[in-house]
Order: sequence, then structure tokens, then C-alpha cells
Amino acid sequence: KAGVTQTPRYLIKTRGQQVTLSCSPISGHRSVSWYQQTPGQGLQFLFEYFSETQRNKGNFPGRFSGRQFSNSRSEMNVSTLELGDSALYLCASSWQTDTYEQYFGPGTRLTVT
Amino acid sequence: KQEVTQIPAALSVPEGENLVLNCSFTDSAIYNLQWFRQDPGKGLTSLLLIQSSQREQTSGRLNASLDKSSGRSTLYIAASQPGDSATYLCAVRTGGFKTIFGAGTRLFVKA
Repeated sequence: KAGVTQTPRYLIKTRGQQVTLSCSPISGHRSVSWYQQTPGQGLQFLFEYFSETQRNKGNFPGRFSGRQFSNSRSEMNVSTLELGDSALYLCASSWQTDTYEQYFGPGTRLTVT
Repeated sequence: KQEVTQIPAALSVPEGENLVLNCSFTDSAIYNLQWFRQDPGKGLTSLLLIQSSQREQTSGRLNASLDKSSGRSTLYIAASQPGDSATYLCAVRTGGFKTIFGAGTRLFVKA
């Protein structure tokens, strides 16, 4: 069974631009979560989706948004990029939610210049 | 507000040594606790998942325990190898559909 895939793997953007990252969960998994990882703040929860519904959102500005499609694939979007948005963005999927093991993708490395 | 702490922040041991990594959390109302390893610049690899009703889980040379009442979990690694060198993260699943991570323990196993 294929693992969680994220595209693109690397991205360089300029301040003020917007970016869309994609995550394809493990087949059959319905829950997708997104995290931001930086050296200073560690791994921080962005949001979680289950069956196309956002279940929760972390403490991030409204520039960060996401969605989940009917096939469970998810996208996250960051508008008006800032230098501080440079990070590794990780996506995780699980079969359902709460009691199930999370499996992570390789991440998308975003660099904002 | 749930907070997760991992001690030590970094650890260097000679090959073959048994070691213990610690994870503590402030709110015992959790669904589960999961241990991960992360190699530099990579995603997270799941090691062990302990449900809130369980006391421990084992996989190969790894054993994780959970004491919900005291807000603690330990990851025991037996007979460490250089390939075990990585950052180890614990994460607790809380109510409200949220996962909180610790800052991690960076482990270096010397050959």
C-alpha cells in the first residue's frame, strides 16, 4: 500500500506570493492533518480534516487555509507569504480520527525569499 | 492547555547501550500517545502507538510505556545502534481533534 505522498517536495517563493501544497493520504484513510515544522517552534498543528470537514484549526493566521476533497486528498494554501512561513510542511493521514495511528508524508520544504 | 515536554533535548551514547527517552504531558485526558522518529530533513516515521487504556507497547528493540495518571511516557531502546541516530518525538492526541508534539530528543549513537 502506498504511503502518504506530498507534492511538491521543494518550493521557493517570494514574499507576497501565494502557494498551494497537496497531500494524498494512504488509500482508505479519511482523516488528514497538516503541521508546520520550524527549528524555532518545532511541530505545530495547522488543521485537521475528516470527510471534507475541517475538524479543528491551530493558532495560525487566516492566511493559512485548507480543504479536503471527496477522495480524501487535501490541499493547504498560504496567501501573502512572509519570510517566517519558510518551513517544512508535513501532512499526516489516519483511517479515521482520534484513536488511530497517524502516518506522515515526506513533507514539502517551502522557502520564502 | 495541553503541553508536551521531552527530556533530554539531546543524548549521545555509545553503541550497544540501553537508553530511555522521556515524554511528559500536562493533561491526562488523552486518546493516545504516539512515538515517532525523524531523520534530518525527512518526514516522521511512526514507531509505537499507545492507546489511553494501555500501559505499554513493544516493537522489536523498542518498548514504550504510558502512565496517564502521572502524565508520563517513556521510550526504551535496547542495544542501541548507530542507525538509531535520529530525533525522537512524542505526540499526544487530545480532545478537539488535535495532536500536540513535544520538541523532541536528538539521539546520537556512537559506533
